Amino acid sequence: DAEITQSPRHKITETGRQVTLACHQTWNHNNMFWYRQDLGHGLRLIHYSYGVQDTNKGEVSDGYSVSRSNTEDLPLTLESAASSQTSVYFCASSELRGNEQFFGPGTRLTVL
Amino acid sequence: GQSLEQPSEVTAVEGAIVQINCTYQTSGFYGLSWYQQHDGGAPTFLSYNALDGLEETGRFSSFLSRSDSYGYLLLQELQMKDSASYFCAAERMNRDDKIIFGKGTRLHILP
Repeated sequence: DAEITQSPRHKITETGRQVTLACHQTWNHNNMFWYRQDLGHGLRLIHYSYGVQDTNKGEVSDGYSVSRSNTEDLPLTLESAASSQTSVYFCASSELRGNEQFFGPGTRLTVL
Repeated sequence: GQSLEQPSEVTAVEGAIVQINCTYQTSGFYGLSWYQQHDGGAPTFLSYNALDGLEETGRFSSFLSRSDSYGYLLLQELQMKDSASYFCAAERMNRDDKIIFGKGTRLHILP
């Protein structure tokens, strides 16, 4: 069965370190998204991609970057982790723009 | 600016019907989606409305009125397992399409 996976599921890191969160989907979807979820803020879009070599900034992109070298993967990199980036991160993919996104299980990141 | 407003919490009784409202202010609005999220879990898709009217999927229905910038999710025959957070999400049809989520409505179901 097709699926979307994220790794690691939990990560503790220190301020200033570079961190990369992996997202892998086997749906063969062109569209992939990264969100962060914090209490009181719901889901906020960080970056998204509509295909290989395409990346776009979302609502809260500062301090994050993504790259899309193939259809299956969209890794999210925190260049220099900050305590404000402590959050739960969700990756999602969709076949059609905007409609029905399939979410990964999430990564809980703690920056100390 | 652009935003989606939904109640933070709603309480209902098992077996009853509950409606969760969502009003939106966003340019280039194209459609409204609804997602369910249980504690500790990932959001899962429930429904999508691009046209005015009611979409029905089993016990769940979703409604959209583009003229009123308003939509709602209707849950019927509530079950305890429906206790979760529900998010509306607006799709924007711009040169760079984006999805904006509301902050979510926590649904509490009483036995």
